[in-house]
Amino acid sequence: QQQVKQSPQSLIVQKGGISIINCAYENTAFDYFPWYQQFPGKGPALLIAIRPDVSEKKEGRFTISFNKSAKQFSLHIMDSQPGDSATYFCAALGDNAGKSTFGDGTTLTVKP
Amino acid sequence: EAQVTQNPRYLITVTGKKLTVTCSQNMNHEYMSWYRQDPGLGLRQIYYSMNVEVTDKGDVPEGYKVSRKEKRNFPLILESPSPNQTSLYFCASSWYGSGDTQYFGPGTRLTVL
Repeated sequence: QQQVKQSPQSLIVQKGGISIINCAYENTAFDYFPWYQQFPGKGPALLIAIRPDVSEKKEGRFTISFNKSAKQFSLHIMDSQPGDSATYFCAALGDNAGKSTFGDGTTLTVKP
Repeated sequence: EAQVTQNPRYLITVTGKKLTVTCSQNMNHEYMSWYRQDPGLGLRQIYYSMNVEVTDKGDVPEGYKVSRKEKRNFPLILESPSPNQTSLYFCASSWYGSGDTQYFGPGTRLTVL
């Protein structure tokens, strides 16, 4: 059973547009929801994360929206830039101190 | 510089030939973990370690072994590699567990013929 479902698998956005990536989880014990960004040839790096005590977290152009009742969260990239072109992974964590459950990833391409 | 290092970065081997991928971190992190990344399957956890001498299975542990004899090192061992283990492998570390920021290494691309 896939515990974190991420969509879409790929996304093409024009420069200046809004990119939206969605994730849904099953386990209500999860309490930490990070997004990782991965550039080609590199390892993933933490972009932004949220805990369920807030519904939204914003860092610059990146915002996480969190809907606890729907067990969904999403990443919004405002004013998308070509430099944002990367693969994005969501994760749902916290039910087990060691286990990590990631989504399948979304490849974002921002066209100039 | 705080970092996670992996060696080798690229490896081509043949079925059945034992290999080890090393992972080392210089941040004094308690937690370390191995992942494999395959197209369309995201990051899948192989094994993790909460501390020295403490390791546990992730979601896809079959065909892999790990050990954590020192805090900084967490090698991944493939005793008898098979073609279905061809993948991109990442090591990661964090202060206390998966619910903390994980710092990933640069990856090891393994091809098993």
